[in-house]
Amino acid sequence: AQKVTQAQTEISVVEKEDVTLDCVYETRDTTYYLFWYKQPPSGELVFLIRRNSFDEQNEISGRYSWNFQKSTSSFNFTITASQVVDSAVYFCALSGAYSSASKIIFGSGTRLSIRP
Amino acid sequence: DGGITQSPKYLFRKEGQNVTLSCEQNLNHDAMYWYRQDPGQGLRLIYYSQIVNDFQKGDIAEGYSVSREKKESFPLTVTSAQKNPTAFYLCASSQRSGYNEQFFGPGTRLTVL
Repeated sequence: AQKVTQAQTEISVVEKEDVTLDCVYETRDTTYYLFWYKQPPSGELVFLIRRNSFDEQNEISGRYSWNFQKSTSSFNFTITASQVVDSAVYFCALSGAYSSASKIIFGSGTRLSIRP
Repeated sequence: DGGITQSPKYLFRKEGQNVTLSCEQNLNHDAMYWYRQDPGQGLRLIYYSQIVNDFQKGDIAEGYSVSREKKESFPLTVTSAQKNPTAFYLCASSQRSGYNEQFFGPGTRLTVL
């Protein structure tokens, strides 16, 4: 069975601090895909990144970076120099390539609050 | 602009009534999905469709029904059989393969009075 765990329910930091959101996944598939989505207060989910299981290189996009480690089944997301606009709920998600290719399994989300 | 539209944004219904939520996409995506989100919770899959005239139940399909007569449209009907329908409903679409990212609409907030 596939599962995504986001153990941090809520995180609150002061603006300009760095913050890391944890994501741990479980899957029996050898090929799979991991995602991060952002849900601002408006409600619409915004796609941030997709990573396939064969690519363990870390990725950086501006203030955002992602650390994928197959050895620990983790796909953590770091925001550097956080800003108030980063306040949102962030979801980690997992999709299998074959047997469960049609569905994306979402974690329960981490609510991030950035205080001015 | 390409995207997904959902209407209405807010919907109120009386107990015992069926209600249909609209979802339209112009991204030329084959697959479409419906999710339910309850306050402080993650997303739960209701139904999904990989191709026109075909759809599958997700994890919480009871009390819901869908149709996929056109590639662009995937309406969701919340029936009176759904015990607790008050929630935020999100529609999404993606290329047919599951490994492609899903793009989401703005959502419909349904409240049963």
